[in-house]
Order: sequence, then structure tokens, then C-alpha cells
Amino acid sequence: EAQVTQNPRYLITVTGKKLTVTCSQNMNHEYMSWYRQDPGLGLRQIYYSMNVEVTDKGDVPEGYKVSRKEKRNFPLILESPSPNQTSLYFCASKPVGADTQYFGPGTRLTVL
Amino acid sequence: GENVEQHPSTLSVQEGDSAVIKCTYSDSASNYFPWYKQELGKGPQLIIDIRSNVGEKKDQRIAVTLNKTAKHFSLHITETQPEDSAVYFCAATKDFFGNEKLTFGTGTRLTIIP
Repeated sequence: EAQVTQNPRYLITVTGKKLTVTCSQNMNHEYMSWYRQDPGLGLRQIYYSMNVEVTDKGDVPEGYKVSRKEKRNFPLILESPSPNQTSLYFCASKPVGADTQYFGPGTRLTVL
Repeated sequence: GENVEQHPSTLSVQEGDSAVIKCTYSDSASNYFPWYKQELGKGPQLIIDIRSNVGEKKDQRIAVTLNKTAKHFSLHITETQPEDSAVYFCAATKDFFGNEKLTFGTGTRLTIIP
């Protein structure tokens, strides 16, 4: 089944404890992206990648890192999480030449 | 950078009536304008999009219009049904296929009243 998977789906952590949210897609898509969703603010793009080893900042990249060592994986790294990074995170992927982004199921992160 | 404003934030319409959601954008270099629908507990799904070389696009009960001069675009849903209840997001980006930075509006919660 074609899909975007995220792990974990739910995470509660404490300030300063490094964490990684994984994102994997099995559709051979070149483009992958991370978003955060907050009430009243909608979706905001954190980072995106057009292919392996190519990443670019979205609108809210501060406090996050990403890597794209393989085409299928695009992990989101929070080196020192803070409470203002408590949010619902979505990963998405698509072919570079197509419109439709396929979103993962979301990861709800709480930073205490 | 790009700024996208979306109105209204909530909208309730009677089943069978039409719903209109409006977005304005700030960067005149934007060329691609997708609309996403997000149902409760799920990720967003693309429902329709429009590019800067087109003024209007229709797909069954859904249509999108674009006014490049005024820098605004709108989503029109006709003959609304209960399954149209969801949160809708507009977005804008420079790249024609959405491969660059994508800026979203803040969302509209649409409720269809049976």
C-alpha cells in the first residue's frame, strides 16, 4: 500500500531532550516536506527537500534540523526541544512533477 | 516572504447552499495555489488547485477562481453536503508544481448544517 508513515504518532518529552521524528514513504517520491499545525495558525512549513542531499528552509525552520540521506526517509530532528515546539507535525511527499502531496498521519508532540 | 490571509475562519452553511472561502497573498511572484481539505484526525488532502496562467478551474461541485491583479483566490463549493464539513486551507508558492516553499493560510472550519 502506497503510504507515508511517521513515528512515533504520539510523544511526550521534556525540554532539552533531543528527539527524532521519522518519516518514510514507499512511493519513490523526490519531494518531501515537514509541517507543523497549531490552532489559529494553520499549517506552517518547516523544511522541504526536492531530492537526496537537497534540503531547504520553509517558513519556520528555527529549532529544527532535517536530513535526506535516502530518498524514502526524511527525519525531523529537534536537538533541544522547547515547549513552543509542542504541536501536531505532518510529513508529506510527492513526485516533483506532480501537484498532489500525500500526507502522513501526523505526530502529536508535547514538550514539557 | 509570502503571506497568505484566509477568511472566514469559521463558516456554517445550510446543506444544499454554497460556501465561499477567500484568500489573499502578498507575493506577486506566486504561481501555484492549492486548496487542501482536512477531516478530523487526518492529514490534509489536495482537493483542487490553480496556476497563475488560469483564471478559473472547476471540478464537479468545487471551483477555484484567481485574480492575479488583486492577488486573491477563492474556493467555491456548490450544493454542499454533510461530508463537506472539514477544515479547508489555501496555500501559495512560486513554483508551478509546488516544489518550493509553500505558505498556507490559517484555515477555515466549514460546518454543513443538515
